[in-house]
Amino acid sequence: GAGVSQSPSNKVTEKGKDVELRCDPISGHTALYWYRQSLGQGLEFLIYFQGNSAPDKSGLPSDRFSAERTGGSVSTLTIQRTQQEDSAVYLCASSRPGALNTEAFFGQGTRLTVV
Amino acid sequence: GENVEQHPSTLSVQEGDSAVIKCTYSDSASNYFPWYKQELGKRPQLIIDIRSNVGEKKDQRIAVTLNKTAKHFSLHITETQPEDSAVYFCAANPTGRRALTFGSGTRLQVQP
Repeated sequence: GAGVSQSPSNKVTEKGKDVELRCDPISGHTALYWYRQSLGQGLEFLIYFQGNSAPDKSGLPSDRFSAERTGGSVSTLTIQRTQQEDSAVYLCASSRPGALNTEAFFGQGTRLTVV
Repeated sequence: GENVEQHPSTLSVQEGDSAVIKCTYSDSASNYFPWYKQELGKRPQLIIDIRSNVGEKKDQRIAVTLNKTAKHFSLHITETQPEDSAVYFCAANPTGRRALTFGSGTRLQVQP
């Protein structure tokens, strides 16, 4: 596709339920990142994928959060037993292979509301 | 790990004035400093970036300066226009780490 695509764009879930958020990166981008943006806050790093492996998952806030990436493309972020503090916009970004320090292209995000 | 502080959190200027947003970082190994603009309800988009081998970079009305000794960098927007109104995020990337560490953002409001 032309850009990073995320789905759903909005998700309302009940506290305690599990949710899955999907990210489809730009074709050919081997690096993929998940960030979380709470209301009025900055972008909090969650996890980074290079291909299908996750060399940096230091930002995952608890063991309720997990992510996977298959085929070096689509990634899924799963939040189990959601809590109200999980409410935020979850942003995915991808960047091209090669040298470090290249532009990260963001998706539109998934706005998650836990009620 | 890297820590990025950004100031101010909000900034209001009159159309045509200049705006300056400042960031400091903690990891002296950082060598890449991008700035992202996020309009309301939209995705963050890169507007300018600078690498540690230069001290200043300009692109039309925007410029970024970097002081490696003091570990701070700034975004300068001249002749501001209402369409510059957005949230601006600075970020830093330490050597050897792929993911960016972002500042907390500055909400810029340009008054017509």
